[in-house]
Amino acid sequence: EVQLVESGGGLVQPGGSLKLSCAASGFTFSGAAMHWVRQASGKGLEWVGRIRTKPNSYATTYAASVQGRFTISRDDSQNTAYLQMNSLKTEDTAVYYCTRALYNWNDYWGQGTLVAVSS
Amino acid sequence: DIVMTQTPLSSPVTLGQPASISCRSSQSLVHSDGNTYLSWLQQRPGQPPRLLIYKISDRFSGVPDRFSGSGAGTDFTLKISRVEAEDVGVYYCMQATRFPLTFGQGTKVEIK
Repeated sequence: EVQLVESGGGLVQPGGSLKLSCAASGFTFSGAAMHWVRQASGKGLEWVGRIRTKPNSYATTYAASVQGRFTISRDDSQNTAYLQMNSLKTEDTAVYYCTRALYNWNDYWGQGTLVAVSS
Repeated sequence: DIVMTQTPLSSPVTLGQPASISCRSSQSLVHSDGNTYLSWLQQRPGQPPRLLIYKISDRFSGVPDRFSGSGAGTDFTLKISRVEAEDVGVYYCMQATRFPLTFGQGTKVEIK
């Protein structure tokens, strides 16, 4: 059974940093691109970014709203993807989901972790 | 960026009756590889999104056959043949043809 479990969310002050983790199981993690998608309370879904696989040089792509502040990485030996978030703004407050993409569709989603940016 | 526009934004439906949601993209979603990467997601209250349909009309594993997708180019439709109580939630279309990936605003399906 494919499982994605996010962790690391919490309350952080504006300008602060937070690192989210996405622990994967039930599939060959090294063979899948991993995406992060966020959702502010009561709002729609916003794509954050993606990391590809080792054969694709672990290439990353980001939304303009987080480019230069957020970094996606992965540790295939630990079956885990990460989202490092720096220079956080109040508008980054959201539930953050990790999602798997074997091809050009996101088939499995985690339960999400809440990030609140507030003073 | 490709803008995804869904209609309607709210859809009150009688149990057992059909429902239909439209999604229009601001550009063609045909990828250079010839595929069209348009997906439909369901988000039940308090739950994460769940993939229903990918590549316009392919039903994901475990998705009931009352859900179907159709369309081409820039116009797409999700149909529920007979709405059940468990279908209540918000439905999103999503394109993965070009970065950044983008979503429709969501359509709330509720029971009358």
